[in-house]
Amino acid sequence: GQNIDQPTEMTATEGAIVQINCTYQTSGFNGLFWYQQHAGEAPTFLSYNVLDGLEEKGRFSSFLSRSKGYSYLLLKELQMKDSASYLCAVNDYKLSFGAGTTVTVRA
Amino acid sequence: DTAVSQTPKYLVTQMGNDKSIKCEQNLGHDTMYWYKQDSKKFLKIMFSYNNKELIINETVPNRFSPKSPDKAHLNLHINSLELGDSAVYFCASSGLLVRGGIDEQFFGPGTRLTVL
Repeated sequence: GQNIDQPTEMTATEGAIVQINCTYQTSGFNGLFWYQQHAGEAPTFLSYNVLDGLEEKGRFSSFLSRSKGYSYLLLKELQMKDSASYLCAVNDYKLSFGAGTTVTVRA
Repeated sequence: DTAVSQTPKYLVTQMGNDKSIKCEQNLGHDTMYWYKQDSKKFLKIMFSYNNKELIINETVPNRFSPKSPDKAHLNLHINSLELGDSAVYFCASSGLLVRGGIDEQFFGPGTRLTVL
């Protein structure tokens, strides 16, 4: 079976940094995705990690440790538009999603 | 041009009715999916088709029947709708990675189904 855990909610201030953790225990693994979903909209792709280490993409970075079953998404220089739900998903010929972390950015 | 489109965007219907949701992608992907996102925002896969062939069928009541007339279309028909079917249904498509697993998924805008 698949077990994917992430915090339910996080709040941070504009300009700050927030780290969203994701731990997983899954029967198969071909990488881990992070998606962003604004309220009332579809999920959109943020990052994909298949090897251990850090992937950086502008203000967003994602880290993976396969031996620890652990990933995090780092959001830097937070902006109000970053208020959204962030979904961690394990890739094994289908995506198994975590329940999502709702990030609220305050002015 | 919209990559993945779904119709309708909103669907309000009575319990017991039958309804369909249509999905089309113009990305040239071989694989398409249906997801259900409930009120707790949990996104769960229902079905996946690869080149018109069903490859994933998660524990979904047989009132739900997907149909893929070609690899660019994946429709979802729901019979005898129940209150618990109220949710947002997302269609998605992706390619497959050579090393295994699926590539980035592109999601449609979603269909918000409300069963009264």
